[in-house]
Amino acid sequence: DQQVKQNSPSLSVQEGRISILNCDYTNSMFDYFLWYKKYPAEGPTFLISISSIKDKNEDGRFTVFLNKSAKHLSLHIVPSQPGDSAVYFCAATGGGSGGGADGLTFGKGTHLIIQP
Amino acid sequence: ETGVTQTPRHLVMGMTNKKSLKCEQHLGHNAMYWYKQSAKKPLELMFVYNFKEQTENNSVPSRFSPECPNSSHLFLHLHTLQPEDSALYLCASSPTVGQGDEKLFFGSGTQLSVL
Repeated sequence: DQQVKQNSPSLSVQEGRISILNCDYTNSMFDYFLWYKKYPAEGPTFLISISSIKDKNEDGRFTVFLNKSAKHLSLHIVPSQPGDSAVYFCAATGGGSGGGADGLTFGKGTHLIIQP
Repeated sequence: ETGVTQTPRHLVMGMTNKKSLKCEQHLGHNAMYWYKQSAKKPLELMFVYNFKEQTENNSVPSRFSPECPNSSHLFLHLHTLQPEDSALYLCASSPTVGQGDEKLFFGSGTQLSVL
């Protein structure tokens, strides 16, 4: 059973508009969440993270929101740029899965396409 | 440059071949990982090494054999693989495996095809 779900395999957004990528989780013990970005033929690279003690974390054009009661997090990119076209993975760790990088559980990813 | 280097980038092998994947990290980290990424599936953790000691083996078949001679190098030895083992194999590192070190640094991966 998937503990981290990204239900949209792909998302198309016009350049300059806001991109919103969603992620749901089922394990209430997760307490740290990360987003990774992956270009073709490259490994995933860390983008932004959030601890469960916060509900928002912002880094430049990227903001992650966490709604613990709904077990939902989202990544907002604004404004979207062509270089943002990539696959975005949501990941979670903590609690029963074991805190730290060895306890990370990943979603399947969402392919974001930024249209000019 | 990524700091985590994997070779080869691509590998095609028959089911009776023996090959090895290599990973090297230049970040001074103590933990290294092997992940498998199959099409339309989440990244699957295979093995974890912390200070050269294997701390996790995620029910991986014995046809995959990891080796970690030191904290900077990690190998994945492959033998008698099956076509369903075709996937992208990613190496990653982190400072340690403990809480507070959740961020992984990935290599570019080895795209493996088993014929």
